[in-house]
Amino acid sequence: DSGVTQTPKHLITATGQRVTLRCSPRSGDLSVYWYQQSLDQGLQFLIQYYNGEERAKGNILERFSAQQFPDLHSELNLSSLELGDSALYFCASSVGLGEVGYTFGSGTRLTVV
Amino acid sequence: AQKITQTQPGMFVQEKEAVTLDCTYDTSDPSYGLFWYKQPSSGEMIFLIYQGSYDQQNATEGRYSLNFQKARKSANLVISASQLGDSAMYFCAMRGANDYKLSFGAGTTVTVRA
Repeated sequence: DSGVTQTPKHLITATGQRVTLRCSPRSGDLSVYWYQQSLDQGLQFLIQYYNGEERAKGNILERFSAQQFPDLHSELNLSSLELGDSALYFCASSVGLGEVGYTFGSGTRLTVV
Repeated sequence: AQKITQTQPGMFVQEKEAVTLDCTYDTSDPSYGLFWYKQPSSGEMIFLIYQGSYDQQNATEGRYSLNFQKARKSANLVISASQLGDSAMYFCAMRGANDYKLSFGAGTTVTVRA
């Protein structure tokens, strides 16, 4: 157990729907990162939050949004889902800003049908 | 921007032998970090080893060692005494000094044969 908790582990939903992925970072970690892993794009950075504030944005679609709450857990919202959004979504956390890497959760596998 | 290249899509190695996974990178940052992660078939990402660009010695963690050649911009991972449990996908990644996201390579699948 890495200490980073992601729920749900698996999610199957229909095109056009909206889903929320949840991440609880390791105790004491202030940064949360979201990554998407798909067969065609590989591992892509989506967004980073540090202590509740957005710090960096990557290849995140406008249909996707995220936030980090005061208790430091984070949610990734995916809306108007398309087949191509099917992927493994990882959350990771670090104490600071990831100077020496960070710890990943086990991921949420999203399947859009 | 950083770019990571892993040219070996898949490799086979005999149990108890060593295997080297290639990784080359490109960056304009004077300071950066290099990482290797393991992803078994179960899907989780497991951190293996880290090398800072200014570290004088190559990083080692148990059976993992990183062969860092800064001038060649390469950061190859060496797994010694391979075990069946080492069968997984391995990703090389890097982070710039002021860029806290990781950029990943495409990965190399390692299959350890008994």
